[in-house]
Amino acid sequence: QVQLQESGPGLVKPSETLSLTCTVSGDSMQNYYWFWIRKSPGKGLEWIGTILDSGRTKFNPSLKSRVSMSIDTSKNHYSLKLRSVTAADTAIYYCARDQGAGNLELDYWGQGALVTVSS
Amino acid sequence: QSALTQPASVPGSAGQSISISCTGTTSDVGGYSLVSWYQQHPGTAPKLMIYEDNKRPSGVSHRFSASKSGNTASLTISGLQADDEADYFCCSYAGSDTWVFGGGTKVTV
Repeated sequence: QVQLQESGPGLVKPSETLSLTCTVSGDSMQNYYWFWIRKSPGKGLEWIGTILDSGRTKFNPSLKSRVSMSIDTSKNHYSLKLRSVTAADTAIYYCARDQGAGNLELDYWGQGALVTVSS
Repeated sequence: QSALTQPASVPGSAGQSISISCTGTTSDVGGYSLVSWYQQHPGTAPKLMIYEDNKRPSGVSHRFSASKSGNTASLTISGLQADDEADYFCCSYAGSDTWVFGGGTKVTV
């Protein structure tokens, strides 16, 4: 059974960097696209970025200047960093696997990590 | 890149059929056969219901179906059940390796 689990600080101060890791178990990370998606209070889902097993990345244009992602397939995890956070970045952050190589067939999701930006 | 437009809420009654719309542009919904739909119950992770416009993953009830016309995709739930009460999100490929979600629709039964 494939499982994804987000981990990282639940509280980040304004202007600092949000860091989350998604640990994947039950399958290899090869040949999949790996997503970060968030849901802000009272809002819909927002695509943050995508990383392939090769390390190639794609980011939401609205967040591109502040986002970075990395992947370590040998350790079965990938990570998200979001710099210079504000209260608007408060959200539940999800990691998810796309088994359709970019067609957004997100078949497995983490349970979500609530990150609050506050001093 | 703008969010896809969904109605905020769609009410229904048990046994009824409802449809949820998801409107985009020729740069996303209308430009590719890559719309997917997700169901999310409170406090849980989203669940894939439809991918590639109208394909149902194994294990998803046949009561869920989807279609698309031009820049608008639609999810139909037939024989509405209490457990169908949830938020539903559409998502589309938007070209150049970018993806865009809808604002979500709350279905009440």
